Amino acid sequence: DVKVTQSSRYLVKRTGEKVFLECVQDMDHENMFWYRQDPGLGLRLIYFSYDVKMKEKGDIPEGYSVSREKKERFSLILESASTNQTSMYLCATTGRDLGGANVLTFGAGSRLTVL
Amino acid sequence: GQNIDQPTEMTATEGAIVQINCTYQTSGFNGLFWYQQHAGEAPTFLSYNVLDGLEEKGRFSSFLSRSKGYSYLLLKELQMKDSASYLCAVRDSNYQLIWGAGTKLIIKP
Repeated sequence: DVKVTQSSRYLVKRTGEKVFLECVQDMDHENMFWYRQDPGLGLRLIYFSYDVKMKEKGDIPEGYSVSREKKERFSLILESASTNQTSMYLCATTGRDLGGANVLTFGAGSRLTVL
Repeated sequence: GQNIDQPTEMTATEGAIVQINCTYQTSGFNGLFWYQQHAGEAPTFLSYNVLDGLEEKGRFSSFLSRSKGYSYLLLKELQMKDSASYLCAVRDSNYQLIWGAGTKLIIKP
């Protein structure tokens, strides 16, 4: 089974701090994604990456950046954290099942609180 | 705009059957997914429909009607461990996933 590991389950940061969220997958998948999940809203895509050094903006990239220096690692960076970035952050990767569905496999999530 | 609608919360009894509906309006269609998410955990894949009809996987089934923009997830012989949120997502013409807000299912003994 694909494993997607997020380095921190819970973080508490102060406004203005720089925050790094790390994600590592062990299946050599090209595609990796960062989502945020907020109550009452569907998952929203922040950034995704199709390969090393490549990144694409999702629906809500403002205030975030990403880094993909190695295939297995995709980092989400909040340059200057703000209270409206308090959220659950989910990393995911895609593989194919027999039906070609490109099913997402998620990490356990990183719950960030910005004070 | 693109939209996925599903009920916010549903309650059902252990051993019973429950149907969770999902309606969608998207720019094109390239498949519909259901994920299960227990509180504080990652979403996990349940089912994928790309053609009309019913897909059955043990106690869980998922139905799709593309002409109606409609899907449902059917859970039979409910168990307490089925208490979770169920997320519906549609892949649009650009192969981007559009997510519903999720349905929280509460199972009572």
